[in-house]
Amino acid sequence: DAGVTQSPTHLIKTRGQQVTLRCSPKSGHDTVSWYQQALGQGPQFIFQYYEEEERQRGNFPDRFSGHQFPNYSSELNVNALLLGDSALYLCASSLGGSPPGYTFGSGTRLTVV
Amino acid sequence: KQEVTQIPAALSVPEGENLVLNCSFTDSAIYNLQWFRQDPGKGLTSLLLIQSSQREQTSGRLNASLDKSSGRSTLYIAASQPGDSATYLCAAAYGQNFVFGPGTRLSVLP
Repeated sequence: DAGVTQSPTHLIKTRGQQVTLRCSPKSGHDTVSWYQQALGQGPQFIFQYYEEEERQRGNFPDRFSGHQFPNYSSELNVNALLLGDSALYLCASSLGGSPPGYTFGSGTRLTVV
Repeated sequence: KQEVTQIPAALSVPEGENLVLNCSFTDSAIYNLQWFRQDPGKGLTSLLLIQSSQREQTSGRLNASLDKSSGRSTLYIAASQPGDSATYLCAAAYGQNFVFGPGTRLSVLP
């Protein structure tokens, strides 16, 4: 039973560029949440997707956007990258509608130079 | 504002010691509380999940307690081992998302 899969594992981007991160949820899960974890800090909630719609959003600017596909996989897009966007981006899946019992992926390490 | 704090920020102990990690949350209206382990540069591994109606959960050498009224949770690790070295994060579930603490960085010395 595959867990949560994220790709790529690492990438380096230049300030001002755009990036797309991908997540495949655990089998049987229909909800995907994205978190940003800066070095030495706890993860911060970006947004959650359920039934292909953004259900809830944290305190992140509109440069952060997402999408959920009919197969429940999800993408996180970040435009106009800033140095401060360098972080570990974590995807978590769960079964929607009920309080979360998350399964986390291993994350994508984004470095903005 | 919903906030989660963890004490201590870092902890270094000799192998074999029993230890307690503390977590506090400001808003007691949680759905559940979860403890995670994170190895350097890696994702999160769920250790224990305590539903809001529960008082504690146990898994092997780990025991987590929850006191909603006081906004506190503790993670007890018995007979610590070098392999327990990692960052431990607690997360309070509000609605559909978690609010995470900053973590406790644990080092168990052989």
